[in-house]
Amino acid sequence: AQKVTQAQTEISVVEKEDVTLDCVYETRDTTYYLFWYKQPPSGELVFLIRRNSFDEQNEISGRYSWNFQKSTSSFNFTITASQVVDSAVYFCALSEAYGGSQGNLIFGKGTKLSVKP
Amino acid sequence: DTEVTQTPKHLVMGMTNKKSLKCEQHMGHRAMYWYKQKAKKPPELMFVYSYEKLSINESVPSRFSPECPNSSLLNLHLHALQPEDSALYLCASSQDGQFQETQYFGPGTRLLVL
Repeated sequence: AQKVTQAQTEISVVEKEDVTLDCVYETRDTTYYLFWYKQPPSGELVFLIRRNSFDEQNEISGRYSWNFQKSTSSFNFTITASQVVDSAVYFCALSEAYGGSQGNLIFGKGTKLSVKP
Repeated sequence: DTEVTQTPKHLVMGMTNKKSLKCEQHMGHRAMYWYKQKAKKPPELMFVYSYEKLSINESVPSRFSPECPNSSLLNLHLHALQPEDSALYLCASSQDGQFQETQYFGPGTRLLVL
C-alpha cells in the first residue's frame, strides 16, 4: 500500500491563481515527520518544509502555506498568487521513527505544477 | 541554499566503461545518501553512509559501488552499467542519518548509458 499519496499527477494554473497540492499519508507510527520538496526542471530537490507529527500548527512562509491535519492524515501545500517560477514537480515525503529504515524518506509520486503566464 | 555539490552534471558512458560520480557537502553533516531517480518517478534510495560507514544498501546491483572517503565526500563508482541505469543520480546529506532530519540534496548527475 502506498504510504504517501499525491493524487494530483499534474496541475496547470494561470499566473496569480492560488493552487493547493494534496498529500495524504499512511503510517502506524505516532512519531513521524513530513516534508515537502520542490524539483524544478534543473533537477535539484529543494527542501521546503519539515513538520513533525506532534505539531499540527499550520505554517505560512511568504506565498507558501501548509495545512497539516492528523485527523485526515493530510499535509496539503498551498501556493498563493502563483508565479511562473513555481513551475516544478512537488514531492511530499514521510519519515517514520520505527516503521521505516534509517534515513528512508518515503516519497509520493509527485505533482507536476505548471504555471502559465 | 544547498551546499551539496555533485560532479559531473551530465555523463554519457558505454556499457563497458568505468566512471565515478562525486558528491561533496560543506555543512558538517555525518550522513550522506545516494538516490536514483527515473523520469517522472520519485527518487529511490540506493545507499546511506553514516559516520563514513555504509549503513544501508537497498539491494543495489554490484555494478554500483559506493565509497565514502571522509564525512564530506561521497563517490559512486559505476562499472558495466546497463541502458536501464540511465537516470538522474542525486546525492543528499543530513546531520546524523536519523529519521527526523532534513535531507539536503545536490543538483544531481544526469547519466545516460549507451
